[in-house]
Amino acid sequence: GQQVMQIPQYQHVQEGEDFTTYCNSSTTLSNIQWYKQRPGGHPVFLIQLVKSGEVKKQKRLTFQFGEAKKNSSLHITATQTTDVGTYFCAANSNSGYALNFGKGTSLLVTP
Amino acid sequence: EAQVTQNPRYLITVTGKKLTVTCSQNMNHEYMSWYRQDPGLGLRQIYYSMNVEVTDKGDVPEGYKVSRKEKRNFPLILESPSPNQTSLYFCASSLFRGTYTDTQYFGPGTRLTVL
Repeated sequence: GQQVMQIPQYQHVQEGEDFTTYCNSSTTLSNIQWYKQRPGGHPVFLIQLVKSGEVKKQKRLTFQFGEAKKNSSLHITATQTTDVGTYFCAANSNSGYALNFGKGTSLLVTP
Repeated sequence: EAQVTQNPRYLITVTGKKLTVTCSQNMNHEYMSWYRQDPGLGLRQIYYSMNVEVTDKGDVPEGYKVSRKEKRNFPLILESPSPNQTSLYFCASSLFRGTYTDTQYFGPGTRLTVL
């Protein structure tokens, strides 16, 4: 399936520091979705971006979709311990309707 | 309450013994899919369904079967499970927006161990 590459794989920050995870594709994406999975839980939808250059904010979270629609980022300002979890990006395949997930970025926040 | 349910939540079985994991959603979603999650590999799509009687392979369909006879149900069938199918399985459903899927609602997961 279409490859959606996500970096970094892990990130360990002190509470109050910022965090960013990146999602990249070699092909143009029709959409990008972001999910958060807490330890022991299931993925929970955060947001979807569909327009070139789109930026959306949810409190301390900022989501961006690149102008070429080949990359996206999730930035968390001033992390809190409640931000701990794995963040996944996902995008639909160009050749069908499969949904491909990145491998995720696991965020650990220490007080 | 809008939800996706999966059963069983935990299952330990032996190689070759056929099993079915059920998935049901109450949101009238067209799109349903199954994923497996393994450490370091993220979520990989096994099969998806665009609507009743319409299914297609995802990234890792080998060893799995699905059916979509009703809109709300999308069971995952392992005809002859093997140890490499030991994993955490998630079912999900969503609306479909013409060229892309909408918010995926995930079930709670089924942890399968094949001995």
